[in-house]
Amino acid sequence: DIQMTQSPSSLSASVGDRVTITCRASLGISNYLAWYQQKPGKPPKLLIYAASILQSGVPSRFSGSGSGTDFTLTISSLQPEDVASYYCQKYNTAPWTFGQGTKVEI
Amino acid sequence: EVQLLESGGGLVQPGGSLRLSCVVSGFTFSTYVMTWVRQAPGKGLEWVSVISARDDSKYYADSVKGRFTISRDNSKNTVFLQMNSLRVEDTAVYYCARYNHYGLDVWGLGTTVTVSS
Repeated sequence: DIQMTQSPSSLSASVGDRVTITCRASLGISNYLAWYQQKPGKPPKLLIYAASILQSGVPSRFSGSGSGTDFTLTISSLQPEDVASYYCQKYNTAPWTFGQGTKVEI
Repeated sequence: EVQLLESGGGLVQPGGSLRLSCVVSGFTFSTYVMTWVRQAPGKGLEWVSVISARDDSKYYADSVKGRFTISRDNSKNTVFLQMNSLRVEDTAVYYCARYNHYGLDVWGLGTTVTVSS
């Protein structure tokens, strides 16, 4: 099975900072990658799909890039409401594995 | 409004069984792939199982294969997760989610399963 490795596992940044989270697949998955945001006590929320397409209603400070094995989620200017955990997920074939998650703090 | 509502969680002893349900509303259920995702306390997300729209394909995580069974009733807008031979490590919040060809775009609030003696 393809493994998804996210880094870092946690980070602390200041309001207004540019934040980058990476996700690496152990084998190529084309662009079948989604990013989710999860706040404590809430279900995950889809942010980005097809590696780089912003889900409707998601602020434009979020962006995604990559294809094949290496992917990136970027928050261009970190806001207080972005404090959350972020997960990547592959969905080309089962199992639809998630990355281990990245906890973002301010 | 699109909604997913899970139920059926609870406290069960190791080796026991539970059946989770997820009732959906606000969209044409029979045309969507549905999935279950779980999250153990303080841990990350773990994909559990997926079922095709027409109930002709099902897949499972290795951690639950042979113990869990996913099913659906399109006449009742409901997807199920039958969980047998439960283990302590199955303790988690279980979410159902809709797959919209590009990711899991709608999630329920989750139901909590606790496996403990």
